[in-house]
Amino acid sequence: KQEVTQIPAALSVPEGENLVLNCSFTDSAIYNLQWFRQDPGKGLTSLLLIQSSQREQTSGRLNASLDKSSGRSTLYIAASQPGDSATYLCAVVYGGSQGNLIFGKGTKLSVKP
Amino acid sequence: KAGVTQTPRYLIKTRGQQVTLSCSPISGHRSVSWYQQTPGQGLQFLFEYFSETQRNKGNFPGRFSGRQFSNSRSEMNVSTLELGDSALYLCASARLRQGKGLAGGEQFFGPGTRLTVL
Repeated sequence: KQEVTQIPAALSVPEGENLVLNCSFTDSAIYNLQWFRQDPGKGLTSLLLIQSSQREQTSGRLNASLDKSSGRSTLYIAASQPGDSATYLCAVVYGGSQGNLIFGKGTKLSVKP
Repeated sequence: KAGVTQTPRYLIKTRGQQVTLSCSPISGHRSVSWYQQTPGQGLQFLFEYFSETQRNKGNFPGRFSGRQFSNSRSEMNVSTLELGDSALYLCASARLRQGKGLAGGEQFFGPGTRLTVL
């Protein structure tokens, strides 16, 4: 079964720390992987999209990497701020699928001032 | 550029009723997908429309249906509501070319419609 797993489910860090969120997927044949942020009761905000041919993408303090051979992606957040507190979701489009996103359950991040 | 909009933002219905949710994609985006989010199951794919045609469908009962109009706006309908249909319903749009699937396209989500079934 094609799944996406995110560990840990929750993470609390002090402001200013660099942190890494993990995402693993069960099949290396993917089209792309997308990281989202979700604030409580809100929709999803797209953070980064990594195509299967790419190894990483960067946007501001965010850097996402993709290792298809190991079935892993990481989202690196530099110099975390309280405003980064949210749930971070990883989603994969698997090769041979209908093209829909398969989501992990997310990592709830809390950045303490 | 305006983002994906969804109406209404909140709905309260009773069991057995039906409901229609609306989604307006980002201008120029022709693909619209619908997802259901619940605390237990997380985010699950419902269906995707492109140029007024349903191209993909998730594993949901026939009570869940949708359509897309010529201006790419989409509606989803849930008939004979059950308590388990209570969820946040999210719509996503993507800019895709005719004949191309969702693979490779970045998807942008709306704020969602919170449906509560009593």
